[in-house]
This record gives sequence, C-alpha cells and structure tokens, in this order.
Amino acid sequence: KAGVTQTPRYLIKTRGQQVTLSCSPISGHRSVSWYQQTPGQGLQFLFEYFSETQRNKGNFPGRFSGRQFSNSRSEMNVSTLELGDSALYLCASSFRALYGYTFGSGTRLTVV
Amino acid sequence: DQQVKQNSPSLSVQEGRISILNCDYTNSMFDYFLWYKKYPAEGPTFLISISSIKDKNEDGRFTVFLNKSAKHLSLHIVPSQPGDSAVYFCAGGGSEKLVFGKGMKLTVNP
Repeated sequence: KAGVTQTPRYLIKTRGQQVTLSCSPISGHRSVSWYQQTPGQGLQFLFEYFSETQRNKGNFPGRFSGRQFSNSRSEMNVSTLELGDSALYLCASSFRALYGYTFGSGTRLTVV
Repeated sequence: DQQVKQNSPSLSVQEGRISILNCDYTNSMFDYFLWYKKYPAEGPTFLISISSIKDKNEDGRFTVFLNKSAKHLSLHIVPSQPGDSAVYFCAGGGSEKLVFGKGMKLTVNP
C-alpha cells in the first residue's frame, strides 16, 4: 500500500512569505500529525488532526496552522516566514498510536 | 521542559554485539512509548512500541524494556548489524501526541 506522501520535497522561500505544505496519509489512517525537525531540537510536535479536527497542538506560535480535509489529507501553513523556520517538516499518519506512526519523507523548507 | 531525554548523543558498537540505547522521561502520564529509526533524507521509521502497562516487548532483534519506577526505557538490538547504523529516537505518547527525544546516532562497525 502507498505510504505517507508529502509535497513538495524541497522549498526555498524568503522571509516574510508564507508557505503551504501538503500531506496525504496512508489510506484508512484518520490521524495526521505534523513535526518539525531541526538539528538542535530534534523532532518537535506541531499539531495533530483527526476527522478534520485539531485534537492536539504543540508549543509553536500562531504563524503555524493546519487543517485536515474530509479525505484525511492535511495541509500545514506557515505565515510570515522567519529564518528560524528552516527545517524538515514531517507528517505522520496512524490508525492507532500504539501501532506506530508512519512518517512521510518530509518537506525540506529553507528560508532565506 | 524536555519530557523525553536521550542523554547520549552517539553510540558505536561492533557488528554482532548488543546495542543498548537508553531513554529517560519525566512525564508519568505517557500511555505508551515508541522507538523510531531515521536515515538521512528519510522520514523516521517505526521500530517497536511498548504500552505503559508492560515492562518488555520483543520483535525480532529488537527488545524494548520499560522501567516505570525509574522512568527509563531502553532499546536492545541483538545482534547489531551495519544496516542498523542510523539515528534512533525514543518517544512518549498519550492522547495521540508524541514527544520525541533529540535522538541518538548509532554506528555499527563491520
């Protein structure tokens, strides 16, 4: 079966711009989570969606937002980009958390 | 507040020997714990999980031990193989939210 698909794989944006990242979960997975990975901080939880509702949110500013569609696909938006937003953004989907999350390959965002 | 800590940034072992990766946590509300492996330029890959009501879970070469009184878990890989060389993350979970440690780089030398 197809894995978690994230698009685009790479993005370069300038400060002040906004960006939208997309994630298509594994078929049947209704939970989609987003994580930010940076060399110094490791993997940090952004938010989690289930059935189009945000169930959990990490400690990120309001510039980071997301949504989930009825087909479980999810988007993440970052507005007013800052240099520190440069990171690998990972999406993960799961059927049930204890069974493990399946991660996509990520979107590498570079803010210049 | 770092709820999940992997205090050793790296570990190097010989092929065929045991690799032991450690993880400490502070949040006693975690319902489960998971281990992930990550290669460069790829997303993390789920390895093994353990419910907070268990103290051991085994899957092939991978065994995770949980010591709730010490708030400590460890991943044992036996025997270690060169293909196991990667960054390993432990994570605590509850309410569908995962908190990851910062990762540990394992190098298995042939």
